[in-house]
Amino acid sequence: QLQLQESGPGLVKPSETLSLTCSVSGGSIAINNYFWVWIRQPPGKELEWIGSISYSGTTYYNPSLKSRVTMSVDTSKNQFSLKLDSVTDADTAVYYCARKPSNPCLDYWGQGTLVTVSS
Amino acid sequence: QSVLTQPPSASGTPGQRVTISCSGSSSDIGSNTVNWYQLLPGTAPKLLIHRNNQRPSGVPDRFSGSKSGTSASLAISGLQSEDEADYYCAAWDDSLNGPRVFGTGTKVTVL
Repeated sequence: QLQLQESGPGLVKPSETLSLTCSVSGGSIAINNYFWVWIRQPPGKELEWIGSISYSGTTYYNPSLKSRVTMSVDTSKNQFSLKLDSVTDADTAVYYCARKPSNPCLDYWGQGTLVTVSS
Repeated sequence: QSVLTQPPSASGTPGQRVTISCSGSSSDIGSNTVNWYQLLPGTAPKLLIHRNNQRPSGVPDRFSGSKSGTSASLAISGLQSEDEADYYCAAWDDSLNGPRVFGTGTKVTVL
């Protein structure tokens, strides 16, 4: 059974960089035509797609976040990562990682991790 | 960035049928496949419906999805207490390899 687990600091100061890692177990991250995805949900708001990355490093970012987002993948560790620069209060959210298989959907998700932006 | 509109809440007694609507536009639902997800606090979100009306393996057939034009809906028949959760629709975007936009979410309460 595939499992995804987010990890990283739960508190980030304004203007700093948010960094999260998603560890994948129970299956390989290196699968053709699959993408690895970050989603977030600010308190009381809807879910928001942040971006998607393939194991070879092809990326797609939400246009509204593109200037601040960097995603990367480490196939040796079966992990992928998210960096979000210059964070503000509006970036406070539960951040989820997920898998996009060959079908157009997100079939496995992590439990999510709350990241709070505060001084 | 636009969102898909869902009713904030829905409810029913055990055994009843509940339907959740998801309204969008020609640029999202109208031209893309729709997925539905179930969110329970502290647990990983679960894919309930993909490609508008397809159930992944393991999802009970009490859950069904449909799409017409710029709207989609999720029906839960034979409502059970464990179905009390938040439900979100999402319109996929093949050009992004991700969900273009999510719904506003619906809290289902089992009375």
